[in-house]
Amino acid sequence: NAGVTQTPKFQVLKTGQSMTLQCAQDMNHEYMSWYRQDPGMGLRLIHYSVGAGITDQGEVPNGYNVSRSTTEDFPLRLLSAAPSQTSVYFCASRARGGLRGTWSQYFGPGTRLLVL
Amino acid sequence: EDQVTQSPEALRLQEGESSSLNCSYTVSGLRGLFWYRQDPGKGPEFLFTLYSAGEEKEKERLKATLTKKESFLHITAPKPEDSATYLCAVHPLFGSSNTGKLIFGQGTTLQVKP
Repeated sequence: NAGVTQTPKFQVLKTGQSMTLQCAQDMNHEYMSWYRQDPGMGLRLIHYSVGAGITDQGEVPNGYNVSRSTTEDFPLRLLSAAPSQTSVYFCASRARGGLRGTWSQYFGPGTRLLVL
Repeated sequence: EDQVTQSPEALRLQEGESSSLNCSYTVSGLRGLFWYRQDPGKGPEFLFTLYSAGEEKEKERLKATLTKKESFLHITAPKPEDSATYLCAVHPLFGSSNTGKLIFGQGTTLQVKP
């Protein structure tokens, strides 16, 4: 299994441009999430999905859109990039259920985004 | 408010010098507590899940323990390759139970010198 994969690894955008960060997993996990990681802020949840066709907002959803048409893929769209969106973005997935209703979450390698 | 605090922020050890990292949490019940290791430029790598106070998990030089208010990650005789940032996260019993939202600490950056 490849686990959680993300593309691209690095991207430079100009303010106002749009782009899509790709995330895929081959573990048949129902739950997928997008986080951003900034110095001093830790990992913050942007959007998440509990299954195909179902998405919801996390802590910092403004400026981002998601969709989940398949179990495997969970793309993150930046609608109009701003310098404040310069960050490292991580996609994560986990299985449903598990002991006491919790589970182990697995992260992708990340996408470093620079918005000029 | 649910909260996770890790200490210290940074820790420098000599190779072979054992120590512990702390993760204190304030949540309305606990479904699980997770430890991750993150190397520079990479995604967090899952290490352990702890569910109940008194539980312990071990992997090589690492041992994670859990009480009702905190978790410790003990590092025994560390090597330079143990240098990384260690993240703690909790899954509260209430509130986020249907969404699986995790609350992350800020992390502890460990440097082990040869």
